[in-house]
Amino acid sequence: GENVEQHPSTLSVQEGDSAVIKCTYSDSASNYFPWYKQELGKRPQLIIDIRSNVGEKKDQRIAVTLNKTAKHFSLHITETQPEDSAVYFCAASKPPNDYKLSFGAGTTVTVRA
Amino acid sequence: NAGVTQTPKFRVLKTGQSMTLLCAQDMNHEYMYWYRQDPGMGLRLIHYSVGEGTTAKGEVPDGYNVSRLKKQNFLLGLESAAPSQTSVYFCASRFPSTANYGYTFGSGTRLTVV
Repeated sequence: GENVEQHPSTLSVQEGDSAVIKCTYSDSASNYFPWYKQELGKRPQLIIDIRSNVGEKKDQRIAVTLNKTAKHFSLHITETQPEDSAVYFCAASKPPNDYKLSFGAGTTVTVRA
Repeated sequence: NAGVTQTPKFRVLKTGQSMTLLCAQDMNHEYMYWYRQDPGMGLRLIHYSVGEGTTAKGEVPDGYNVSRLKKQNFLLGLESAAPSQTSVYFCASRFPSTANYGYTFGSGTRLTVV
């Protein structure tokens, strides 16, 4: 099955700085790569996703890049704010034939004021 | 529109006891999933269902059973709880659309087995 590795496991940044989280995947057939944000004690929520036919996608302060050749994708958060403090999970899947998401182990991001 | 609702929210079990976790969704989603979340291990898939009456094993199915008798409900059962099953359990669902592959998660069930 798909194996998703995520780095770093913890990340501390100064407010206003950028944060970058990287993930690698093992199955070259994977074609859908979402990112979920989980605040303390809450449920994971989808914040951005990218499909394999796109190299980059942006939504305000967050962006995701995908390198299919190297089988890795990254989440970029610019101008970090205290409300960005959370656990972030990357995931991969290969719809429409495979319905399951395989998640990375998560990155705990702390934004220091 | 409640989304995905999980019951109970918290539970403490003794080793060997059984229980059922209920996941209910009111979004007419076809696909439903049960994940467990453990520190440093992310979310691991236990079982999933692609439609009423169908279930399949995920990455860590041992010790769990599931049923999907109604489209809106997905039940996760522990027949004989073990301390290794102490975890936070999340249910998720999604619509079988090629336009949107995103999951909607429930709020989780924190289970402790002593």
